[in-house]
Amino acid sequence: DQQVKQNSPSLSVQEGRISILNCDYTNSMFDYFLWYKKYPAEGPTFLISISSIKDKNEDGRFTVFLNKSAKHLSLHIVPSQPGDSAVYFCAASDRGQGNLIFGKGTKLSVKP
Amino acid sequence: DTGVSQDPRHKITKRGQNVTFRCDPISEHNRLYWYRQTLGQGPEFLTYFQNEAQLEKSRLLSDRFSAERPKGSFSTLEIQRTEQGDSAMYLCASARRDHYGYTFGSGTRLTVV
Repeated sequence: DQQVKQNSPSLSVQEGRISILNCDYTNSMFDYFLWYKKYPAEGPTFLISISSIKDKNEDGRFTVFLNKSAKHLSLHIVPSQPGDSAVYFCAASDRGQGNLIFGKGTKLSVKP
Repeated sequence: DTGVSQDPRHKITKRGQNVTFRCDPISEHNRLYWYRQTLGQGPEFLTYFQNEAQLEKSRLLSDRFSAERPKGSFSTLEIQRTEQGDSAMYLCASARRDHYGYTFGSGTRLTVV
């Protein structure tokens, strides 16, 4: 059973528009959520995170929203750039410094 | 901060052979993780070290897999009697004691033929 779900395997967006990547989770004990970006032949790179005590965290063009009641989080990228094209993974932790549980990823393509 | 280093980047081995991968974490990071990633999947947790102590192992880590982190520095992951199903990207990550986020290495891609 998947505890972290990314139901959209891929997303295509025009340059300059907003990209919205979604993630759902089932474990109500998760207390920290992260987004990672992965380019081919590289390891995942940390992008942005949010604690369960917050509902929004912003870092430049990237904003993560958390809806605990719906067990849903989303990553907004605005404006999207071609260099943002990558696979984005949602991850969650339920024990603070324990291991992260990852979703299957969403491949974002930003077209010029 | 030189990042997390993994060696080798690629490994092709015949079924039944043993392979060993190495991970050098960021020096001040006391936590070290091994993950495995197959095509179309997210990284799957294998095992976790805090300093030299192996604190957690996934059920994915069969008895053919063993990991060590002597002296709490670099780590090795050994797979004995490799099977075709072991073909995957093996990712190492490290983290500080007080930080949720990991820093991943570039991974070792294993192909078992």
